[in-house]
Amino acid sequence: NAGVTQTPKFQVLKTGQSMTLQCAQDMNHNSMYWYRQDPGMGLRLIYYSASEGTTDKGEVPNGYNVSRLNKREFSLRLESAAPSQTSVYFCASTDRSTQYFGPGTRLTVL
Amino acid sequence: AQSVTQPDIHITVSEGASLELRCNYSYGATPYLFWYVQSPGQGLQLLLKYFSGDTLVQGIKGFEAEFKRSQSSFNLRKPSVHWSDAAEYFCAVASGVWIKAAGNKLTFGGGTRVLVKP
Repeated sequence: NAGVTQTPKFQVLKTGQSMTLQCAQDMNHNSMYWYRQDPGMGLRLIYYSASEGTTDKGEVPNGYNVSRLNKREFSLRLESAAPSQTSVYFCASTDRSTQYFGPGTRLTVL
Repeated sequence: AQSVTQPDIHITVSEGASLELRCNYSYGATPYLFWYVQSPGQGLQLLLKYFSGDTLVQGIKGFEAEFKRSQSSFNLRKPSVHWSDAAEYFCAVASGVWIKAAGNKLTFGGGTRVLVKP
């Protein structure tokens, strides 16, 4: 039982490049989330998926898109990366009451 | 809208001393409250949570937290700090009512970084 896994762990992009962050959970959770973490700001919700087939915007969705591929997988895409998207990205899933987090992806946009 | 405030950005404590981290929340109904810990370069680990019932909640690693509705607070405490407790701590609040369509979104405080002196 791996919990929530994320790939890659680290990534460096140039401005304008695109990439997809992958997230998978093996806990049979319905809901999944993407957050970004910036110093002094805690974690802010980018997008979430309450159940398979649905996605919705969180607090800071601009510049991102998501895909709920199936119940296990929830990906986050940056179509044209900007330096302001330099951050640590966390995926989480929930059993209706408690969220469980992946190890994070550290992204740097030059 | 719900919000969480952690007034202390940094706290330095001596090993063996007690620790208290403050958390104040704003939420109209009964909240779910959480404390998470993040060690350097790691993800977030759940320390404890409060849903209902006894307002003093015990968690892992010797931590406890007390829910005080009148003060809208959920402060985290540990009687005797170990060097391994050096980390960043996040308080979070979620809706106390499960809304299937909207999911159960967490709102986080800005975090408190704890440094432990030998």
